[in-house]
Amino acid sequence: QVQLQESGPGLVKPSETLSLTCTVSGFSISSGYYWGWIRQPPGKRLEWIGSIYYSGTTDYNASLRSRVTISVDTAKNQFSLKATSVTAADTAVYYCARQRGLNNIESWGQGTLVTVSS
Amino acid sequence: DIQMTQSPSSLSASVGDRVTITCQASQDIAYYLNWYQQKPGKAPKLLIYAVSNLETGVPSRFSGSGSGTDFTLTISSLQPEDIATYHCQQYDSLPITFGQGTRLEIK
Repeated sequence: QVQLQESGPGLVKPSETLSLTCTVSGFSISSGYYWGWIRQPPGKRLEWIGSIYYSGTTDYNASLRSRVTISVDTAKNQFSLKATSVTAADTAVYYCARQRGLNNIESWGQGTLVTVSS
Repeated sequence: DIQMTQSPSSLSASVGDRVTITCQASQDIAYYLNWYQQKPGKAPKLLIYAVSNLETGVPSRFSGSGSGTDFTLTISSLQPEDIATYHCQQYDSLPITFGQGTRLEIK
């Protein structure tokens, strides 16, 4: 059974770069599927950030595209999220997930809270 | 972006009640609609995909219906373990978007 675990700093200063890694176990990223990042700001709805196919093809939410990069490291069975120039609006619980196509978010990590504050 | 609107935003019901949550899309999304269950402090869990297909392991008291712009999630007989927030999600076009969530409580 696939398991996903987010890791990275829980506190990031405004204007700096947010970096998170998702470690996948129980399944090889190279075997297929899309791998995505979704966030949930406090008291707000879920927001899809973007996804990467195991081959490296990416899709991003246009609202975040200019600041976000998702990459995959198949050797480490990990994929990562970087978001530049963060503000308080980027404070959220960040989830990594496995997706069937870009459609169904079928497996989720437990989530990690990232706070943007000086 | 396609806007997803759920109603009600919160709901209180008794064990055994039939519960209905609705989700409306700002444009026609055919049958490209999923439902997720999120228990407090946990990640969402895929409950129903493509309007009416139960994910493996989901109890049969959950069902979904609808097409186009109007969709419904129904719990036929509410159980205590169903306490959660329920989210709809469209995947007709990118970006994938979610409803604001419906918080379900037990009376």
